[in-house]
Amino acid sequence: EDKVVQSPLSLVVHEGDTVTLNCSYEVTNFRSLLWYKQEKKAPTFLFMLTSSGIEKKSGRLSSILDKKELFSILNITATQTGDSAIYLCAVDSGGYQKVTFGTGTKLQVIP
Amino acid sequence: EAGVTQSPTHLIKTRGQQATLRCSPISGHTSVYWYQQALGLGLQFLLWYDEGEERNRGNFPPRFSGRQFPNYSSELNVNALELEDSALYLCASSSRPPYTGELFFGEGSRLTVL
Repeated sequence: EDKVVQSPLSLVVHEGDTVTLNCSYEVTNFRSLLWYKQEKKAPTFLFMLTSSGIEKKSGRLSSILDKKELFSILNITATQTGDSAIYLCAVDSGGYQKVTFGTGTKLQVIP
Repeated sequence: EAGVTQSPTHLIKTRGQQATLRCSPISGHTSVYWYQQALGLGLQFLLWYDEGEERNRGNFPPRFSGRQFPNYSSELNVNALELEDSALYLCASSSRPPYTGELFFGEGSRLTVL
């Protein structure tokens, strides 16, 4: 059974801090790793990673994948209160219908 | 462009009743996916519909069922409701190939079973 584990489960930081969210996985047929942000209800797509060692960036967010060690990290620099959300990691092992989600990391950024 | 829309936003039922949730995908998307997000758990895959057919289902009992209509909207039915069915039910749609990894989610339907 495919498995995705995220850590920490939750964290509270102050505005301006840098945070690192972790995601480890065990899947039978890895195709890609996905990150989503869930602010209220609807998760929104952040990144798709398929190759080891290649960083994906979008503004203050960046992510990298290590396929040998089976993990990924999501970094957020200079955090803002608008970054407060649940960050979901997921692994695709066979298309959209074979996406396994982790339980998420709940990030709270306080002023 | 309108996003994925779901209704109702909230639904309260009692044990043993049936619940029906609805989803309209983004225009041009033919695939619809249903997920359950219970408290403390990750998104659990329920069902996948494409071109009117059920293509795959997750590890859920048969009382979870649904269908997809010719306009690609979808309905999720949950029969014989149990307390543990209380959750946020999210619908998502995907674009046609090539695969991008991106699922477009609706705002969800919060089902409470009393």
